[in-house]
Amino acid sequence: GQNIDQPTEMTATEGAIVQINCTYQTSGFNGLFWYQQHAGEAPTFLSYNVLDGLEEKGRFSSFLSRSKGYSYLLLKELQMKDSASYLCAVRDEADSNYQLIWGAGTKLIIKP
Amino acid sequence: DGGITQSPKYLFRKEGQNVTLSCEQNLNHDAMYWYRQDPGQGLRLIYYSQIVNDFQKGDIAEGYSVSREKKESFPLTVTSAQKNPTAFYLCASSMGLGGTVHRSEQFFGPGTRLTVL
Repeated sequence: GQNIDQPTEMTATEGAIVQINCTYQTSGFNGLFWYQQHAGEAPTFLSYNVLDGLEEKGRFSSFLSRSKGYSYLLLKELQMKDSASYLCAVRDEADSNYQLIWGAGTKLIIKP
Repeated sequence: DGGITQSPKYLFRKEGQNVTLSCEQNLNHDAMYWYRQDPGQGLRLIYYSQIVNDFQKGDIAEGYSVSREKKESFPLTVTSAQKNPTAFYLCASSMGLGGTVHRSEQFFGPGTRLTVL
């Protein structure tokens, strides 16, 4: 079946680095997305990986290993505003309409 | 500014009533989506549309209906047949469905929180 796993909650300290993992099992693969969602608000797009390796964008980086069905989102120099849920989503190539399969999200709590 | 709007932000409904959630986008996107978000669960797809006058059921379409008469608009009706409608509803749009053509990330509206009294 199709499944995406993320830790439910993580805690980190302001100014530190945190890595949020995502593992997936899908019939096919056509890209992995990370979104940020503050409580009660809309998800906003952070990153996209379709090839193995690291994509860096400012303080945020995302890594993908397709052979392992694994991705992580790395957040550096944490700020209080980074407190949010981080959603991992995979586009399944086996789905002819390329729909996204969503993880439940990881709630990140930043402490001063 | 281009974006997606949803209204209302909060909605209260009595049991047995139908209610329609609005979603409008001015991004000139072809594809639009409706998701439901419940605590501790991933986003679940209710309906999606690739083009005007066409739409497909998602994973949890029962008790919901949609229309796509205009490219910009994709309203969702929550009918009385939906057994547990209290949830946060998110509308999204993308250039297309994605795949090999482009990454086609989805852009989300601010959401509507529906509560059944």
